Amino acid sequence: AQKVTQAQTEISVVEKEDVTLDCVYETRDTTYYLFWYKQPPSGELVFLIRRNSFDEQNEISGRYSWNFQKSTSSFNFTITASQVVDSAVYFCALRGYSTLTFGKGTMLLVSP
Amino acid sequence: DAGVTQSPTHLIKTRGQHVTLRCSPISGHKSVSWYQQVLGQGPQFIFQYYEKEERGRGNFPDRFSARQFPNYSSELNVNALLLGDSALYLCASSQVGTGGNDEQYFGPGTRLTVT
Repeated sequence: AQKVTQAQTEISVVEKEDVTLDCVYETRDTTYYLFWYKQPPSGELVFLIRRNSFDEQNEISGRYSWNFQKSTSSFNFTITASQVVDSAVYFCALRGYSTLTFGKGTMLLVSP
Repeated sequence: DAGVTQSPTHLIKTRGQHVTLRCSPISGHKSVSWYQQVLGQGPQFIFQYYEKEERGRGNFPDRFSARQFPNYSSELNVNALLLGDSALYLCASSQVGTGGNDEQYFGPGTRLTVT
């Protein structure tokens, strides 16, 4: 069975602070994919990144960066210089063959 | 190109009633998946269909059923509604439905309230 744990339920920061969202996963699959999605108040899930289990390179996209560590089964997400528009619920997800398993999400509140 | 569309946007039903939710995938996508997202939780997988065949089913009671039509659109049906069925129902479409490279694109969801 697959499992994704996002231990942080809610994080509050002030604009321009850096913030890291944690994600720990469990799977028996040797090939799997990890995802991060953003869900603004409107409800639609917005895809942010996909990582396969063979690619442990960290990735940076603008203010976003992701740290994948297979040894600790973690796929953490950092937002640098946070902005109010970053306020949303962020979900980490894991996919083996076909089914996406989501974590419970971390609500990020960025205040001005 | 249009994204994944879902209808209706919002729905209010009473306990015991039946509901049908609809989803149209992105053009060219042959797989549709349904997820239930209860308030404060992550989406939970309900069903996946590919080429009109059920490919996967999550841990949901038989009151939940779905089907996919020849044009790849899909319906999710829930019978004998319970208060606990109140949730955001998300539809996702993808090209083939398997493999991590098969990206799932989510629709805006249908918010179902059962009173």
